[in-house]
Amino acid sequence: DSGVTQTPKHLITATGQRVTLRCSPRSGDLSVYWYQQSLDQGLQFLIQYYNGEERAKGNILERFSAQQFPDLHSELNLSSLELGDSALYFCASSARVAGAVTQYFGPGTRLLVL
Amino acid sequence: LAKTTQPISMDSYEGQEVNITCSHNNIATNDYITWYQQFPSQGPRFIIQGYKTKVTNEVASLFIPADRKSSTLSLPRVSLSDTAVYYCLVGGDSWGKFQFGAGTQVVVTP
Repeated sequence: DSGVTQTPKHLITATGQRVTLRCSPRSGDLSVYWYQQSLDQGLQFLIQYYNGEERAKGNILERFSAQQFPDLHSELNLSSLELGDSALYFCASSARVAGAVTQYFGPGTRLLVL
Repeated sequence: LAKTTQPISMDSYEGQEVNITCSHNNIATNDYITWYQQFPSQGPRFIIQGYKTKVTNEVASLFIPADRKSSTLSLPRVSLSDTAVYYCLVGGDSWGKFQFGAGTQVVVTP
């Protein structure tokens, strides 16, 4: 158990809909990252937040947005969903250990768009 | 971001040692090398991290030559439960986006 929690575990929805994925980082971690992993694909970095502020952006679609709240939990909002958005979405939080940043991943949310 | 290159797949038998080499020719001075393990439908799990020479923990060893342009993850005496995808990640000193490569699928058979 990494200490990072994600809800829900599974989500089934229809095209055109909007969903919200939630992530709670490990206690004390200020950074949250979101990744997308499609079937048989690698991990695609989407976005990073640090203490409530956006810190880095990857290949995140305009239909997707995220935020980090004062209690440090984060939400990833996916709107106008398409079939191709079906994927595993992982959240990670990070700590700086001996000078290096180490990410700890949650169990993921499996999104299925029908 | 330093680009990494790993073998796509490796096969091994139980009890053998598995060595996975990752190339990262343009690694920056402040970059660390981190390896993750991922089982199907689970989040990646941190295995080991290093900056130079050799690092060892209870599950693996990481060998980094002096030029740091490559690194080798060594898994001693693998078991069936070590069947997973292993990712090499370079970076981590500065905040920012992390780029995972394609990973190496390790299959361990009896």
